[in-house]
Amino acid sequence: GENVEQHPSTLSVQEGDSAVIKCTYSDSASNYFPWYKQELGKRPQLIIDIRSNVGEKKDQRIAVTLNKTAKHFSLHITETQPEDSAVYFCAAAVSGGYNKLIFGAGTRLAVHP
Amino acid sequence: DGGITQSPKYLFRKEGQNVTLSCEQNLNHDAMYWYRQDPGQGLRLIYYSQIVNDFQKGDIAEGYSVSREKKESFPLTVTSAQKNPTAFYLCASSNIGIKNTEAFFGQGTRLTVV
Repeated sequence: GENVEQHPSTLSVQEGDSAVIKCTYSDSASNYFPWYKQELGKRPQLIIDIRSNVGEKKDQRIAVTLNKTAKHFSLHITETQPEDSAVYFCAAAVSGGYNKLIFGAGTRLAVHP
Repeated sequence: DGGITQSPKYLFRKEGQNVTLSCEQNLNHDAMYWYRQDPGQGLRLIYYSQIVNDFQKGDIAEGYSVSREKKESFPLTVTSAQKNPTAFYLCASSNIGIKNTEAFFGQGTRLTVV
């Protein structure tokens, strides 16, 4: 079945450094790739998403890149801040089809002051 | 106040009992999902539904059942057949189609078997 692999499982950076989280997906029909942030004890919330007709999308300090050929997509956080500390999940879905949203295992990001 | 609501927040179950987790949304979303979250394993899909009276199994449906009698409601029953039910359960909803596919999550239900 469909599968999304996410790496690394944990990531520790110093405040101000960049953080990169990578995901690969198995279903070549996937065309929607959201990223969710889950703070401790809270529900996951969408931070950025990208569709397959776009190679890169940026929103302030956050950017996502997509390589459809390699079936890879990545989250880039620049100038990290302590409040960026959370668990980040990537996901893939076939938007417009049966909309089955499959998540990666998550990356626990720790930003140290 | 629009959103997606799960209840209860905490639930304790004795072994051998069935329990039902509630999920209600007033976002007029067609699609609804149930995920199970265990430490280090991310969000695993249990069941999902795109339309009333229709639902599909996810990756870990064994020991669970759902119903979708109303668009706004998607309850999950954890049956006695689920061997390791202690987990954090998240419900989500989204629109379907090409646009507006963002999934909104409820606050979760933490189920503990005692």
